[in-house]
Amino acid sequence: GDSVTQTEGLVTLTEGLPVMLNCTYQTIYSNPFLFWYVQHLNESPRLLLKSFTDNKRTEHQGFHATLHKSSSSFHLQKSSAQLSDSALYYCALMRGSALGRLHFGAGTQLIVIP
Amino acid sequence: EAGVTQSPRYAVLQEGQAVSFWCDPISGHDTLYWYQQPRDQGPQLLVYFRDEAVIDNSQLPSDRFSAVRPKGTNSTLKIQSAKQGDTATYLCASSSDSYNNQAPLFGEGTRLSVL
Repeated sequence: GDSVTQTEGLVTLTEGLPVMLNCTYQTIYSNPFLFWYVQHLNESPRLLLKSFTDNKRTEHQGFHATLHKSSSSFHLQKSSAQLSDSALYYCALMRGSALGRLHFGAGTQLIVIP
Repeated sequence: EAGVTQSPRYAVLQEGQAVSFWCDPISGHDTLYWYQQPRDQGPQLLVYFRDEAVIDNSQLPSDRFSAVRPKGTNSTLKIQSAKQGDTATYLCASSSDSYNNQAPLFGEGTRLSVL
């Protein structure tokens, strides 16, 4: 079945350093939708990025990610971490036009320290 | 544009009590999802609808949980006899069938504590 793997459970960074959170996926569907959601403490997941186009960079609020179907990856990056970026980040996969279920990765807790 | 609306925000029950959660999706969104998110875990799908039809309820504990979306708009999730293990946040999300707009968007959730 479909699955998403986030290898880091916890990432701790100093403010100003670059962010990279890994996401790889498995699906037999050739045109998946990939998403990054961010969840701050005591809040619900909020959509950060989405993509369904191979090799096209998508950006929002300083974060960016590129869907690479050849490596089944959708890594989240940011050039300079801010304290306010501390949150839980989920990578998620959905099959496209069939409106399949959203498959979440286990999540990566990002902690940014001064 | 109004987001996904859920109520109540919080619920505290004794084991064996019943509770219902209500969700109003974003206008025009035909797909509605209910997720359960236990503390310190990721969201886990319980059931989702396309319009009024159930598409997948395989993860819904059918002996105690039920979900309906009778007119293809609002939805209600009910727990018949709550257990302590049901303690979690219950998230509703909705999405559109539009090819460019399929990202499920979440409501604020209902936090359930079963004592």
